[in-house]
Amino acid sequence: KNEVEQSPQNLTAQEGEFITINCSYSVGISALHWLQQHPGGGIVSLFMLSSGKKKHGRLIATINIQEKHSSLHITASHPRDSAVYICAGQTQGGSEKLVFGKGTKLTVNP
Amino acid sequence: GAGVSQSPSNKVTEKGKDVELRCDPISGHTALYWYRQSLGQGLEFLIYFQGNSAPDKSGLPSDRFSAERTGGSVSTLTIQRTQQEDSAVYLCASSLARVNTEAFFGQGTRLTVV
Repeated sequence: KNEVEQSPQNLTAQEGEFITINCSYSVGISALHWLQQHPGGGIVSLFMLSSGKKKHGRLIATINIQEKHSSLHITASHPRDSAVYICAGQTQGGSEKLVFGKGTKLTVNP
Repeated sequence: GAGVSQSPSNKVTEKGKDVELRCDPISGHTALYWYRQSLGQGLEFLIYFQGNSAPDKSGLPSDRFSAERTGGSVSTLTIQRTQQEDSAVYLCASSLARVNTEAFFGQGTRLTVV
């Protein structure tokens, strides 16, 4: 069964702090997506990773294929980063559908 | 438009009525997915289209749910005889290809069955 586990479930930080959200996945996942969902808003794709590391502004995503683990880092966090961050694994073969983690609710206080 | 468009954005319906939810994917995206986000359940897969065919319908929760896609573009998700447990946000996503490409999500349709 394809599974994705992410942690922590909730995270509160002060503005400026470095933030890490972790994601572990099972066999049968070919790529990892990091998604962002603001309250009442839609889902925005942040990264799609199948190897290595990607960076976009203050966001960095890494993946370790051997350990089946990915992390999302936010440097110099800001209150506007407050959102739910969702890790999703793309299943290998077939429809390549996404299997989602339960999300991490991040609150960055000023 | 430039993104994935879903309509309506909100739908309140009475139990037992049928509803249709529409997804207009990004032009040229051959892969289209429907997902559902329920309170306490997280996001779950419903159905996948490649062009007009649906090779993976494994996530549809019951035979009250059906979907079609025409012209390799617009997709409609139909729920017949709605039940209260169908209340959720229904999300559509499209991507350029099936394998290892970024997924673009619509804003979703919030369905409330009363």
